[in-house]
Amino acid sequence: NAGVMQNPRHLVRRRGQEARLRCSPMKGHSHVYWYRQLPEEGLKFMVYLQKENIIDESGMPKERFSAEFPKEGPSILRIQQVVRGDSAAYFCASSPPGKGISTDTQYFGPGTRLTVL
Amino acid sequence: AQSVTQPDIHITVSEGASLELRCNYSYGATPYLFWYVQSPGQGLQLLLKYFSGDTLVQGIKGFEAEFKRSQSSFNLRKPSVHWSDAAEYFCAVGGGTSGTYKYIFGTGTRLKVLA
Repeated sequence: NAGVMQNPRHLVRRRGQEARLRCSPMKGHSHVYWYRQLPEEGLKFMVYLQKENIIDESGMPKERFSAEFPKEGPSILRIQQVVRGDSAAYFCASSPPGKGISTDTQYFGPGTRLTVL
Repeated sequence: AQSVTQPDIHITVSEGASLELRCNYSYGATPYLFWYVQSPGQGLQLLLKYFSGDTLVQGIKGFEAEFKRSQSSFNLRKPSVHWSDAAEYFCAVGGGTSGTYKYIFGTGTRLKVLA
């Protein structure tokens, strides 16, 4: 049973470009979470999605960041007009389906390391 | 404010020695507690979790952790470390009776194992 998949594993962008990070949850999972890890810090919650719905985006920066989890295909975290401060590791996690808001254990992918030049 | 503290940024132990990684938390509700391990280039792998019941929790790879409510701690232990245990370890709190999905992570402890 494949785990959470993320790609690319490493992404280099110049300031002002767009970054698209993809996450495929574990098979059978329908809840997806994105976390960001800045250097020397712990992972910080960004957004929680279910299929076609954003449940909680309270951890997302107000501008330039967006996330989606379409009916078909992976979840996408999109960062427009990247700046050097966006350089970080971005982790995706997933959890099994269930009614309402998930309280299940989250399983994490390997992360995408974004470097902004 | 809710927080998780891992006071040791780096720990070095000899192979075969015992290990204890510290984790302290501040959380309003009854917490769910987790330890994850991250090997270089890999994702975070769940080692163990505490939701309720027995305060001594057994995990994978020979790890265990003990929940001590009075000390707000959830320290990770292993009686004999193997070279393959070298990795970064993260303590996290989340879930609980309020059902929050926003895991709060510590800053991690990087473990080095000497042959």
